[in-house]
Amino acid sequence: DQQVKQNSPSLSVQEGRISILNCDYTNSMFDYFLWYKKYPAEGPTFLISISSIKDKNEDGRFTVFLNKSAKHLSLHIVPSQPGDSAVYFCAAADGGSNYKLTFGKGTLLTVNP
Amino acid sequence: SQTIHQWPATLVQPVGSPLSLECTVEGTSNPNLYWYRQAAGRGLQLLFYSVGIGQISSEVPQNLSASRPQDRQFILSSKKLLLSDSGFYLCASQLGQRTYEQYFGPGTRLTVT
Repeated sequence: DQQVKQNSPSLSVQEGRISILNCDYTNSMFDYFLWYKKYPAEGPTFLISISSIKDKNEDGRFTVFLNKSAKHLSLHIVPSQPGDSAVYFCAAADGGSNYKLTFGKGTLLTVNP
Repeated sequence: SQTIHQWPATLVQPVGSPLSLECTVEGTSNPNLYWYRQAAGRGLQLLFYSVGIGQISSEVPQNLSASRPQDRQFILSSKKLLLSDSGFYLCASQLGQRTYEQYFGPGTRLTVT
């Protein structure tokens, strides 16, 4: 049972435009959500997170939106840059489960110059 | 800030051979430690986690094992490798049990032939 779903395996956008990466979850116990970026043959790097008590968190070009009623979150990258091309993983945590993270399968973002 | 080291970076092993992957963490104490595997085209699968020395929890049944002989050392082992053990192995560290963010090492690419 996949509790965190990233239904788009890939996304292609033009440089300077907005990239929107989506993530859905099924476990209502999840109370914290994170986005990671991963280049090939490297470990994922933490990008941005959001607690379930908020609906938006912003850090520079990256903004994460959380819609708890829809069990949906999204990562917005504005403006997109070629260096943003990578696989983006959504992850969720239930604070009652030893802070383990459940990851989605990832979305490959390609930003074209 | 913490730094996670993994070695070796790449490994090619025949079926039936033993395995030992090592992960060490600098810059923190008493972290939660995690082993993940990323198979080709798939997300991050949690294999083991540890909240302290000698404390190991397994997430999936398999022929792999993990040990934590020291506070900042986490080892992934196998007595006999299978073809299905091929993948990209990632170690992650989490600052205690009050934060959700995990930080990843550079990974080990294991190919079982």
